Amino acid sequence: GEDVEQSLFLSVREGDSSVINCTYTDSSSTYLYWYKQEPGAGLQLLTYIFSNMDMKQDQRLTVLLNKKDKHLSLRIADTQTGDSAIYFCAEISGYSTLTFGKGTMLLVSP
Amino acid sequence: DTAVSQTPKYLVTQMGNDKSIKCEQNLGHDTMYWYKQDSKKFLKIMFSYNNKELIINETVPNRFSPKSPDKAHLNLHINSLELGDSAVYFCASSQDLGSYGYTFGSGTRLTVV
Repeated sequence: GEDVEQSLFLSVREGDSSVINCTYTDSSSTYLYWYKQEPGAGLQLLTYIFSNMDMKQDQRLTVLLNKKDKHLSLRIADTQTGDSAIYFCAEISGYSTLTFGKGTMLLVSP
Repeated sequence: DTAVSQTPKYLVTQMGNDKSIKCEQNLGHDTMYWYKQDSKKFLKIMFSYNNKELIINETVPNRFSPKSPDKAHLNLHINSLELGDSAVYFCASSQDLGSYGYTFGSGTRLTVV
């Protein structure tokens, strides 16, 4: 099957920017997503990007897509302690199901 | 109004027991899914159903049997529970196969002791 890879851990200070990276292998991926999971909670869709886009901005969130390198990133500006969570990259193509990366744990310290 | 609801939220049971987790969606979606999140937080697809028909069964043991009585419901029955079945199980739905908008339930935390 196709793989989605992420670094497992990121630690930043409050007020800094966070950048979470993801690589995927399925070149036919149509949509790419970022989900957030707070401790003990479910999956919250943060944002998504269509494969023909390079960038999408939504308030503090910026998604960058490099389709040639199959690289996706999520930048969180002015990171707050409430942003501490696990962030999952996910992709979907054709009639396949949503495939998740292993998640990046973001720890924001005061 | 909860879009995708799962019950129970928590389930603690002994090894060898049989248990069910229920999922219902009120979005009018045709496709429903079960995902398993293990202790390392890895999320893997288990099953997908489209209009009550099984589409995907991702090398899940036969002890797991999904049942879809209608397209708004996808229940998960697990026989002879094992310690390794302890996980969080997420139900999800989408408009149809190949649709890009998944809506997830809040998860069922299963602990087998």
